Amino acid sequence: SYVLTQPPSVSVAPGQTAKIACGGNNIGRKSVHWYQQKPGQAPVLVIHYDTDRPSGIPERFSGSNSGNTATLTISRVEAGDEADFYCQVWDVSSDHPVFGGGTKLTVL
Amino acid sequence: QVHLVESGGGVVQPGMSLRLSCAASGFTFSAYTLHWVRQSPGKGLEWVALLSKDGSKKDYGDSVRGRFTISRQNPKNILYLQMNSLTPEDTAIYYCARAPCTGGSCYYDYWGQGILVTVSS
Repeated sequence: SYVLTQPPSVSVAPGQTAKIACGGNNIGRKSVHWYQQKPGQAPVLVIHYDTDRPSGIPERFSGSNSGNTATLTISRVEAGDEADFYCQVWDVSSDHPVFGGGTKLTVL
Repeated sequence: QVHLVESGGGVVQPGMSLRLSCAASGFTFSAYTLHWVRQSPGKGLEWVALLSKDGSKKDYGDSVRGRFTISRQNPKNILYLQMNSLTPEDTAIYYCARAPCTGGSCYYDYWGQGILVTVSS
């Protein structure tokens, strides 16, 4: 089955840019979706179809996808952005979703 | 406004059964495929099951196939997850989520708040 690989953790200082990678075989050919999950809360969709931001998600959140890596970029990071982030694709061969293992974003 | 509210969780002994419910409001329930996704304590997200809008398509994750059954009552706007033969490894927060699909890819635009299931003797 399809596997998505994320780094366990990413740290960034406030005001800087955080990049969270999601690796998968030819992931650039798939649509990637990203979720933010703060402690004790349900996940929230922040990016869908690689680059699209749902209503209410700040413009500071953006996505890209090419080759074997998709990337979630958070510009001008704030303390309130600290959370776990998960990437997700739809695996056509199995016809069900696949999640990455998650990345904990720490704001220093 | 879309709302998904899970209920039915709790503490059960290994081998027992439990049925979760997810009450939906704020959208046309019968127009969407719905999923259950779980998260074990301190772990990542794990897909559990899906059910198509008309109930014709069901699928399960390998770890629950044969033990869990997903169903829905469209007139009542409720999604269910019947969980049998529970093991400690099923201990998790269970989320129901709405899953729109376009171009062969599906994602989760709304999630419930989650309900905790603890399997312990």
